[in-house]
Amino acid sequence: GAVVSQHPSRVICKSGTSVKIECRSLDFQATTMFWYRQFPKQSLMLMATSNEGSKATYEQGVEKDKFLINHASLTLSTLTVTSAHPEDSSFYICSARVGQGAARGAGGSTEAFFGQGTRLTVV
Amino acid sequence: AQSVTQLGSHVSVSEGALVLLRCNYSSSVPPYLFWYVQYPNQGLQLLLKYTTGATLVKGINGFEAEFKKSETSFHLTKPSAHMSDAAEYFCAVSSDTGRRALTFGSGTRLQVQP
Repeated sequence: GAVVSQHPSRVICKSGTSVKIECRSLDFQATTMFWYRQFPKQSLMLMATSNEGSKATYEQGVEKDKFLINHASLTLSTLTVTSAHPEDSSFYICSARVGQGAARGAGGSTEAFFGQGTRLTVV
Repeated sequence: AQSVTQLGSHVSVSEGALVLLRCNYSSSVPPYLFWYVQYPNQGLQLLLKYTTGATLVKGINGFEAEFKKSETSFHLTKPSAHMSDAAEYFCAVSSDTGRRALTFGSGTRLQVQP
């Protein structure tokens, strides 16, 4: 199957600093990628939809100035947690779906491939 | 809008016993349904999916699930649990309308006792 690579797998940073997480589709082009956040023992909550060449679409309650998303190419999306605080500590996971069509709709049956996740700890 | 409910946040079975993880969904349009498995500190791996056609879907590692429209369910089963099956399992729903991100259930942690 398709491979999505996420880096770094773990990062510890000081409060107030910024952290960048990369998500790459290694063997396919992804016009749309998704960023999720997962709290301990909880499900994945969609944070935003990253669209190549355009602005990301954020879910309600997610601060776009806090979580900066850039999708500069068809194989790379980045999530930057700015001015991180301890409450931002979490597991962040990206995903992409093969057979990308429009960001909404068509292709709902296609499988989503996930990165390995990034464990962010803010101290 | 779509939603997924997974009954039972924790399920414990003995090695060799039947595994049954429950998933019910809500969708106003024909749904596509997925089961993913997550091992600690890792991403998600697809076990199986239902799109159209046969309602009994077979996946990897001996898992299967049956789509029952009348019950709005997509329960995951495995006849005989193995120690390596211990993990977190997520049911998810999608469709050809609306946003393309998957909507996940809250997850079920499967423990397998020796």
